[in-house]
Formats: sequence, structure tokens, C-alpha cells
Amino acid sequence: EAQVTQNPRYLITVTGKKLTVTCSQNMNHEYMSWYRQDPGLGLRQIYYSMNVEVTDKGDVPEGYKVSRKEKRNFPLILESPSPNQTSLYFCASTPATGLGIQYFGAGTRLSVL
Amino acid sequence: GEDVEQSLFLSVREGDSSVINCTYTDSSSTYLYWYKQEPGAGLQLLTYIFSNMDMKQDQRLTVLLNKKDKHLSLRIADTQTGDSAIYFCAERGDSWGKFQFGAGTQVVVTP
Repeated sequence: EAQVTQNPRYLITVTGKKLTVTCSQNMNHEYMSWYRQDPGLGLRQIYYSMNVEVTDKGDVPEGYKVSRKEKRNFPLILESPSPNQTSLYFCASTPATGLGIQYFGAGTRLSVL
Repeated sequence: GEDVEQSLFLSVREGDSSVINCTYTDSSSTYLYWYKQEPGAGLQLLTYIFSNMDMKQDQRLTVLLNKKDKHLSLRIADTQTGDSAIYFCAERGDSWGKFQFGAGTQVVVTP
């Protein structure tokens, strides 16, 4: 089954404790993105990647890191999480050709205390 | 920068038509999308329209695009309780990987 898998689905952590949210897709898509969803603000793009070892900033990259060492994986790293990073996070993948349709993971709900 | 705006809430009676509106600012938008998010789930593509089209119909869904006014709308005919969800308008500009989403419209369908 074609899918984007994020882990964990729920995470509670404390300020300053490094964490990684993993994202994996099995559709061989070139593009992958991370978004955060906040009430009244919708989805805001954090980072995106065009292919292995190629990444670029979205609209809200501060406080986040990403890496793309393999085509299927695109982890989101919070080196020193802060309470304002409490949010719902989504990973998405998109093929390099076609209509630009994004395929989303189920989301990761992060609380930073 | 680019911005996508949509109203936050819509209440509609079952069987009526719903119309969700969206405005965008990026004139280089090539594709515009409507995504649906059901409670506790990720987003799924509902429909899309290419920027050189005025209208697209897909079963109960009608998308209208006014490129001059940068206005996009989604009409759902015969709205059902299963249509209750958050609907996001999104655009892709000339950079393939970069997308802009609106804040989402919460649609509540009442019996």
C-alpha cells in the first residue's frame, strides 16, 4: 500500500531535549515536505527536499533541521525544542512529475512542556 | 510573501450546497488544490484545478477559478454529514516543492 509513515504519532517532551520525528514514503517520490498545523494558521511549510541531499527552507524553518540521506526518509529534528513548537506536524511526499499532488502522513502531535 | 486566505468556519444543512471560498496572492500559481482533513487524520486531495482553467466539475464537486481576482471556490452539492471536515485551499507556485496553504475552513453539516 502506498503510504507516508510518520513516527511517533504522539510525543510529549520537555524544553531543550532533542527529538527526531521520522518520515518514510514507499512511493519513490522525489519531493518531501514538513508542515506544522496550528489553529487559525493552517499548514505552514517548515522545510522541503527536492531529492537526496537537496533541501530548502519553507516559511517557518527556525528551530528545525532536516536531512535527506535516502530518498525514502526525511526526518525532522528539533535540536532544542521550545513550547512554541507545540503543534501538529505533517510530512508529505510529491512526485517530481505530474500534478504536484501531495500525499500526507497521519500526523505527529507534539507537546513541549 | 505569498498568502492564501479562506474563511474559518461554515455551517450547512444536510442536502444543501456548500461553498468555500479562497483567495491567493501568487500570480505565478500553476496548480491550485483543495484538500480535505477529517478528524485525527492527515490531508487528502479532494480536487485540483490548473491555472489556465475556469471551472472543473467532479461529481458533487465544482471548482471555480477567477484568475483575474485570484479567487478560488469549492462548491459541494447535496452536502452530507460525511462532508464534515476541514477543507484547505493550497497553491503551488513556480517552485515545484514549495506550497502555500490557507488556514482551513471547518465545515459542519447539520441534519
